[in-house]
Amino acid sequence: DAKTTQPNSMESNEEEPVHLPCNHSTISGTDYIHWYRQLPSQGPEYVIHGLTSNVNNRMASLAIAEDRKSSTLILHRATLRDAAVYYCILRDAPRRDDKIIFGKGTRLHILP
Amino acid sequence: NAGVTQTPKFQVLKTGQSMTLQCAQDMNHEYMSWYRQDPGMGLRLIHYSVGAGITDQGEVPNGYNVSRSTTEDFPLRLLSAAPSQTSVYFCASSRRTGPTYEQYFGPGTRLTVT
Repeated sequence: DAKTTQPNSMESNEEEPVHLPCNHSTISGTDYIHWYRQLPSQGPEYVIHGLTSNVNNRMASLAIAEDRKSSTLILHRATLRDAAVYYCILRDAPRRDDKIIFGKGTRLHILP
Repeated sequence: NAGVTQTPKFQVLKTGQSMTLQCAQDMNHEYMSWYRQDPGMGLRLIHYSVGAGITDQGEVPNGYNVSRSTTEDFPLRLLSAAPSQTSVYFCASSRRTGPTYEQYFGPGTRLTVT
């Protein structure tokens, strides 16, 4: 399975944009890039996913490099509630042996 | 919809005891999975199921059994609890969105083995 690499932790000031990077140099052509986040003492929650084009939703934006070997999750205006661990994972099209593997993610600290 | 529900929320076991962690979803999702998360660590996949009657091993399956007799339920059984199984356990189900899936996680079960 293709793996992802993320920084262990990042800091950002409240009300400023945050760019969370993810490297996935061995990504295959059918892998989707997914982002999840885990707030303290909660289960992970889905944030966004994409294949090739940049994606936007109410929570965040996902910018995908042209060669797809890296991507960036963008929180446009961070709030204290965005302090969480953010996971970047790759998922192929559903198949019988689909294993969804989470890495350690990036712990995002928001400074008031 | 209640989403993904897990019971119990907290559990303390003695070494050697067995128990079953319950997981249910009411979203008719085919794919379900169990993860464990140790303090300060990411999630590790224990077992997963792509549909009723089909289960398979994840990264850390030893000491755990699963079965999937219905679409809704995916219980995780600890056969003989050990202190190394002290962890937070998350169950998840997946919704298909086009050619990929989104996962929905339960609130977790915090297990302590003494």
